[in-house]
Amino acid sequence: DIQLTQSPSSLSAFVGDRVTFTCRASQYISTYLNWYQQKPGKAPKLLISGASSLQSGVPSRFSGSGSGTDFTLTINSLQPEDFATYYCQQSFTTSWTFGQGTKVEIK
Amino acid sequence: EVQLVESGGGLVKPGGSLRLSCAASGFTFSGYSMNWVRQPPGKGLEWVSSISSGGNYIEYGESVRGRFTISRDNAKNSLYLQMDSLRAEDTAVYYCARDSFDDSSIHYFDPWGQGTLVAVSS
Repeated sequence: DIQLTQSPSSLSAFVGDRVTFTCRASQYISTYLNWYQQKPGKAPKLLISGASSLQSGVPSRFSGSGSGTDFTLTINSLQPEDFATYYCQQSFTTSWTFGQGTKVEIK
Repeated sequence: EVQLVESGGGLVKPGGSLRLSCAASGFTFSGYSMNWVRQPPGKGLEWVSSISSGGNYIEYGESVRGRFTISRDNAKNSLYLQMDSLRAEDTAVYYCARDSFDDSSIHYFDPWGQGTLVAVSS
């Protein structure tokens, strides 16, 4: 199975900060990488598919980049509602796998 | 509105069985593959199983293979997960999620249900 490693596992930031976190795949996955946001007690929500395609309704302060094995999710001007856990997921193989998550907390 | 609603969770003893259901609405259920994903308390997401739109192609994660069975009834717009030989480590919130894909055939899970909690304990 393809392993996804997210870093950092958690970070603290202020409202208004620009934050970036990464997802590294154990093997080449082209751009078959999706990002989800999950708030406590809620189901995950798709933010970005195909490494960089922002889903409809997702604020433009979110952006994704990368291909191959290294990917990033950036949030420009962090807002109070963005404090959550973010997961990457690969869809290069049908044994779908998720990263362990990055928790974004308020500083 | 596209909606997925899980049910069937609860407390079960180790070695026991449970059947989860996921009711779909707001889209043509028979046109989509479907998935189960679980999340142990305080931990990350783990894909459990997938089933193709017609039900003829099925995959399982290694941790549940041989114990869990995924199925669907397109006439009832419903997805199921039969869980047998349950273990404490199967304790999790179980989500159903639609398998969608874009013009580049990149698959993703959207939307997700609200989840149902399965607790395996004596």
